[in-house]
Order: sequence, then structure tokens, then C-alpha cells
Amino acid sequence: GNSVTQMEGPVTLSEEAFLTINCTYTATGYPSLFWYVQYPGEGLQLLLKATKADDKGSNKGFEATYRKETTSFHLEKGSVQVSDSAVYFCALTHGSGNTGKLIFGQGTTLQVKP
Amino acid sequence: EAQVTQNPRYLITVTGKKLTVTCSQNMNHEYMSWYRQDPGLGLRQIYYSMNVEVTDKGDVPEGYKVSRKEKRNFPLILESPSPNQTSLYFCASSVTGAYEQFFGPGTRLTVL
Repeated sequence: GNSVTQMEGPVTLSEEAFLTINCTYTATGYPSLFWYVQYPGEGLQLLLKATKADDKGSNKGFEATYRKETTSFHLEKGSVQVSDSAVYFCALTHGSGNTGKLIFGQGTTLQVKP
Repeated sequence: EAQVTQNPRYLITVTGKKLTVTCSQNMNHEYMSWYRQDPGLGLRQIYYSMNVEVTDKGDVPEGYKVSRKEKRNFPLILESPSPNQTSLYFCASSVTGAYEQFFGPGTRLTVL
């Protein structure tokens, strides 16, 4: 079946460090891929998305590229800030017969220290 | 302000006592959905609705009911809650199922 696998956390970085959170997926058809972020005590917010192969999603300095050949959608940021501390979820939706269901990875906690 | 609201935000209850968690959106979205979030499992879909009076099961529907009588509201009903339904619940909405989903702030439910 369809699934998403993220690297386990927590990930602890110093401010201004480079961030990579790995995400790989298994899916039939042509899924859309998303990164959601959950700040402490809040709901999920869409961070970025990509709807077809080789698309690059970007927002707030974060980037991720839809790589169909490696079935990956790794999240990167060149210089993290303390305010980026949150839980990050990789997710996909089915490309065809779409019921809107988002399939999430287990989430990766990022802690950024000053 | 465009938003998805949920009530209550926190709830502690006892086994078997019926409860309803409300969800409302003001974006005229057709699609609405409920998820539960559990440690190490990410979020899993409970039920979804493509439009008024159209609902269907997600991955973990057992023990839950929903209704969609109006476009803006999508309540989640636990007729006889059990401790394994202790979780963090999120409501989400979207223009249609194919578009990005907007999430509510979450409801933390504890069933004793």
C-alpha cells in the first residue's frame, strides 16, 4: 500500500546550521507530496508542496524536490533559526481516484538551539 | 480570517460517555476530514466528507461517527468512548479532496 517514511528524530541543530530531513514514499500512480509543520500547541500548517516529478516546492527558506526516480521528497533549509523548532510531517495524496486522504509519515521533531 | 475551528480544545471524559467534537470552517470548502495523531504513527484519517450528506470511512473509523448536514460543519461523534481513543484529533478542510488541506488547532481527548 501507499506509505511515507521519514527519518527518526529528534534532530538537534545549532542556529544557522544546514537542515535535511529525509522522506521517502511508496505509492501507486502519481501522488502529490507535501511537507506540513506543527509548532508546539498548534495544528498543522502546509509548508510546501509539489504535484509532479522534478517540481521543487519552497517556502520560508525551506525547499524540497519531488524525485520520482528515488521516490524521495527530502526537506532542506540552508540556515535554521530557533523559531524553526517544530515537528515536520511529510505526506502524500493519491494521484488518481483521489479521496483526499493524506498519508503521513510519523513526523520528525526539530530542535534548534541558540 | 479563513480558518478551521474545533471545540473543545481539551476534553477529559470517562469510558462510555458519549461526546461530540465540533468542527467548522468558513472557507466554503466542499471537502472535510478528521484525523487522529498518535506518537510514532503520524496522523491517520478517521472519516472524510466530499460534500454535504456524503461521508466515507478513512483508515481508522471504528468507534467513530460523523455527519455532514451543512457545508461548514463536520462533527465527530464518539458514542461510547474507550481509552484507546485517547488521542489528539484534527479536523481539516479543502476546496476539494485534490487540493491542500487546512487544519484546525486540534482537540486533545483523554478517555479514562
